[in-house]
This record gives sequence, C-alpha cells and structure tokens, in this order.
Amino acid sequence: NAGVMQNPRHLVRRRGQEARLRCSPMKGHSHVYWYRQLPEEGLKFMVYLQKENIIDESGMPKERFSAEFPKEGPSILRIQQVVRGDSAAYFCASSPWRETEEQYFGPGTRLTVT
Amino acid sequence: DQQVKQNSPSLSVQEGRISILNCDYTNSMFDYFLWYKKYPAEGPTFLISISSIKDKNEDGRFTVFLNKSAKHLSLHIVPSQPGDSAVYFCAARDDKIIFGKGTRLHILP
Repeated sequence: NAGVMQNPRHLVRRRGQEARLRCSPMKGHSHVYWYRQLPEEGLKFMVYLQKENIIDESGMPKERFSAEFPKEGPSILRIQQVVRGDSAAYFCASSPWRETEEQYFGPGTRLTVT
Repeated sequence: DQQVKQNSPSLSVQEGRISILNCDYTNSMFDYFLWYKKYPAEGPTFLISISSIKDKNEDGRFTVFLNKSAKHLSLHIVPSQPGDSAVYFCAARDDKIIFGKGTRLHILP
C-alpha cells in the first residue's frame, strides 16, 4: 500500500521559468492538500482539493500559483515565472475524507530557484 | 498572526528521560490538536492527536495533554529514545490544519 508520492524530489529552476510539482495521493484518498515550508518555518497551508474541484485555496498566493486535481492522474501544483522567494519545500498530503484529523504526507519537493 | 506557537526552537534531553514539548494556541474554535514528527528529507508523519473535549490522550510512550483554559498543549515522550530525535510540529484544526514552526528535539546518549 504505497504512501503519498511526490515528484520530483528536487527541482531547480531559473527565475522566470515554470515549476510543476506532482502529487499522487494514497490509494483510496480523494482529498489532497498542499503545504509550503520556508526555511525555519512551519508548514503553511496553500490549497485543498478534491477530484476536479478546488475546495479551499485561501493559502495560495493570488498570482503565479495554481493547483489542480484532475479526474485521472496526480494533483499538480504549478508555479509560473518563479522567483527566488518561491524556494521552499512543498509538501502534499492526502486523506480519505474531509473530516479526518489525520493527513498523510508525501516526502516533499524541494524547489530551488536560482 | 500565528495561531499555533511553539516557542522553543530546540530541546535537548538525555536518553531515558522525559521529553516535554510545548505548544500554545490562540483560536478557541480549534476542535482537534495533533502532533507530527518529521525527519530530515521526509514528510511529516502523524504521531498522536487529541480532541478538544478531552484533556489527555496516551499512546505507548507518547502522551498529549490539553489545557483549554490556558490554550496550551504538551507532548510527553517517556522514556526518550535516540530515534525520537526529529522536528516535532504541533498542529490544530478548525476548517484546515494550522501548524506551528516546530521544535527540534535532540536525544543525547
């Protein structure tokens, strides 16, 4: 029973490029959450998605960031025109239903913008 | 405005002794509190949780205490083991899970 998968684990982008981060939830989980962790900070909620729906994107920056969770395939967090401040670890978590108190996290993608 | 605060960035404890990690919160609407453990280069893993209607939850070596009047919770690990060295995140839930900044626990041999 595979856990939450994220790829790539490390991603280097130059300023102005696009970054695409992928997350495959645990089998049977239809709720996906994205978090960002800046150095020396805790995890900050970005967005909560169910299949084909964005439920809560209150933590997403208003520009350049978008997320999707299509009917088939992984959830994608897309960052357009990356800047140095986007360098962080991005974690995806999944859960089987909305009200669970427990989320299962992937290993994260470390994005470095040069 | 931090709703979940872990004021100790790090803590060192002798192996075999008790480790106590503290967490304060400001939002009285939180209904669940959680502790996650994180090793380097890995995602956080769920450790233990407590409902806001309880004041204690125990699971093996791990016990979480909740003091609602003080808006304070703590995680006790006893006895502490070398494998407990990690970053511990306190988290709280209302309609989303909000994390503290974490406390790095070092278990000394």
